[in-house]
Amino acid sequence: DTAVSQTPKYLVTQMGNDKSIKCEQNLGHDTMYWYKQDSKKFLKIMFSYNNKELIINETVPNRFSPKSPDKAHLNLHINSLELGDSAVYFCASSQGFGPSTEQYFGPGTRLTVT
Amino acid sequence: GNSVTQMEGPVTLSEEAFLTINCTYTATGYPSLFWYVQYPGEGLQLLLKATKADDKGSNKGFEATYRKETTSFHLEKGSVQVSDSAVYFCALARASYDKVIFGPGTSLSVIP
Repeated sequence: DTAVSQTPKYLVTQMGNDKSIKCEQNLGHDTMYWYKQDSKKFLKIMFSYNNKELIINETVPNRFSPKSPDKAHLNLHINSLELGDSAVYFCASSQGFGPSTEQYFGPGTRLTVT
Repeated sequence: GNSVTQMEGPVTLSEEAFLTINCTYTATGYPSLFWYVQYPGEGLQLLLKATKADDKGSNKGFEATYRKETTSFHLEKGSVQVSDSAVYFCALARASYDKVIFGPGTSLSVIP
């Protein structure tokens, strides 16, 4: 069984559209994250939720809105897509949020904005 | 601020060669240090970690020692295999409710 799953795996869309990426984890973890990985493989955190509460909200455009309906799900909605949003988006989860906590990553969603 | 610096890639090695990927960090206090690996087309997975000075993390033949005096956490493996080809990320986490900071990643290609 997949521990952290994301859908879709690939997403190709046009500028100005609105899209969502879904993430689910079956590990029983209480903390989930969204990361953005650019074309140079640089990985940057966007958001983190602990027990459905937002605990990290990095400086990202407000076109990006995370939603956590329950502890096992963290979805990412993006409004008015721009060319610069093209990247691979990774969802991750962990149990707790301590400094030695291991994060488990999903397989990624490759978003291409044309 | 807190940051992680890694040696620039790509690194290309022959099978059975010795691997070192340098990682240095800047952080206040005593962060935990990690190495994550990303195989082609996959998400990151934890390779090893160390939570205090002089700790050695090890897994799958890889090792890294937390050196506070040099603020380093270099990754080593004595004999690489083609299956080790991946991108390796050094990372740190400073405290509870603080984000994990990843280095820029180092791409490794191992050729037969």
